[in-house]
Amino acid sequence: KQEVTQIPAALSVPEGENLVLNCSFTDSAIYNLQWFRQDPGKGLTSLLLIQSSQREQTSGRLNASLDKSSGRSTLYIAASQPGDSATYLCAVGAGNNRKLIWGLGTSLAVNP
Amino acid sequence: KAGVTQTPRYLIKTRGQQVTLSCSPISGHRSVSWYQQTPGQGLQFLFEYFSETQRNKGNFPGRFSGRQFSNSRSEMNVSTLELGDSALYLCASSWPRTGDYNTEAFFGQGTRLTVV
Repeated sequence: KQEVTQIPAALSVPEGENLVLNCSFTDSAIYNLQWFRQDPGKGLTSLLLIQSSQREQTSGRLNASLDKSSGRSTLYIAASQPGDSATYLCAVGAGNNRKLIWGLGTSLAVNP
Repeated sequence: KAGVTQTPRYLIKTRGQQVTLSCSPISGHRSVSWYQQTPGQGLQFLFEYFSETQRNKGNFPGRFSGRQFSNSRSEMNVSTLELGDSALYLCASSWPRTGDYNTEAFFGQGTRLTVV
């Protein structure tokens, strides 16, 4: 059974720091992995999608990597800003159905 | 291009009642999935509809049901509401070409259901 774990559960950093969020999964048979952002009480905003054949994806200050063999993905945020404060969720697409399996998220606070 | 629209945004219902939530996917997207999000359990898959057919179902009781219309809009129904059904219900829209699992999911803002 696929399980997704995100570490740390919460993170507080000063503005300007570069930071790394971690996501691990137990079964390497995935077809993609997505990183999402969720603001309090709001829906999910897709940040990056990495296909199973890819190693990384970049969008602006965000870079996500995928290592299927070790069951890990990292989300790198460069030069963090207060507006980056949110919960970051990773989800893996696995199995022959279409459901996403989710971690519990990392709650990020960037302090001015 | 309009995003995924969920209505209503907020609902308060009494135990034992039933509720219907609506999701309009991104134009051209044919797949709609529903998820329940609670603080303790995180996001859990409810079901997925594609071309008006339920293709996949999560581990939820039969009180949770859904359907999809010919225009891809989807509704989710919960009957005999329980306090534990209080959650944020999110719908995701995607366009899975046949045999292609590598499509991005786009989410709506969710419907916050409170059962009292």
